[in-house]
Amino acid sequence: KNEVEQSPQNLTAQEGEFITINCSYSVGISALHWLQQHPGGGIVSLFMLSSGKKKHGRLIATINIQEKHSSLHITASHPRDSAVYICAVRDFNKFYFGSGTKLNVKP
Amino acid sequence: EAQVTQNPRYLITVTGKKLTVTCSQNMNHEYMSWYRQDPGLGLRQIYYSMNVEVTDKGDVPEGYKVSRKEKRNFPLILESPSPNQTSLYFCASRQGSTGNTIYFGEGSWLTVV
Repeated sequence: KNEVEQSPQNLTAQEGEFITINCSYSVGISALHWLQQHPGGGIVSLFMLSSGKKKHGRLIATINIQEKHSSLHITASHPRDSAVYICAVRDFNKFYFGSGTKLNVKP
Repeated sequence: EAQVTQNPRYLITVTGKKLTVTCSQNMNHEYMSWYRQDPGLGLRQIYYSMNVEVTDKGDVPEGYKVSRKEKRNFPLILESPSPNQTSLYFCASRQGSTGNTIYFGEGSWLTVV
């Protein structure tokens, strides 16, 4: 069973392009988190959302609770954005993760 | 500096030899958790702890034990490791039920032969 589905699995973009990564979930959630995993393996927390929209620099995250869907947008993408982006949903204290979207931004 | 520290970072061990992966955080967080990451399966939660002496099972707890005797430490214990526990393990912490940011350790690569 996949409580969290992400798309696309792989994404190649040219520097400067606008990027969208999608996340759909099937469980009730307390919050949704977007994570970034660097090529070396380290994981960084980008956003936590329970409603609406958040923006941090070139990154924007939105969530639609009724449709059980979230999107992560990267504006003016850069090669340093190349990483795996992971959607995680939190049901009180339990976490469920998407399989990740591997993003490669070419100069 | 806010930090979650895991040890060891890399370990090759043999089937059945008990091992402990330590995890320590310096942020006074109530919530700590362990995950494993496997190709094609992504991250999966093993155990979590809401506070000292309060632990609960995640999605894949079989073969693992945890303890939370102090707020800063949350060790993961493999009593009798098997090859299917070969994986990349992450410890993470968060401030209680309202923490916006999850802080991850750098990961521990474990191979059981």
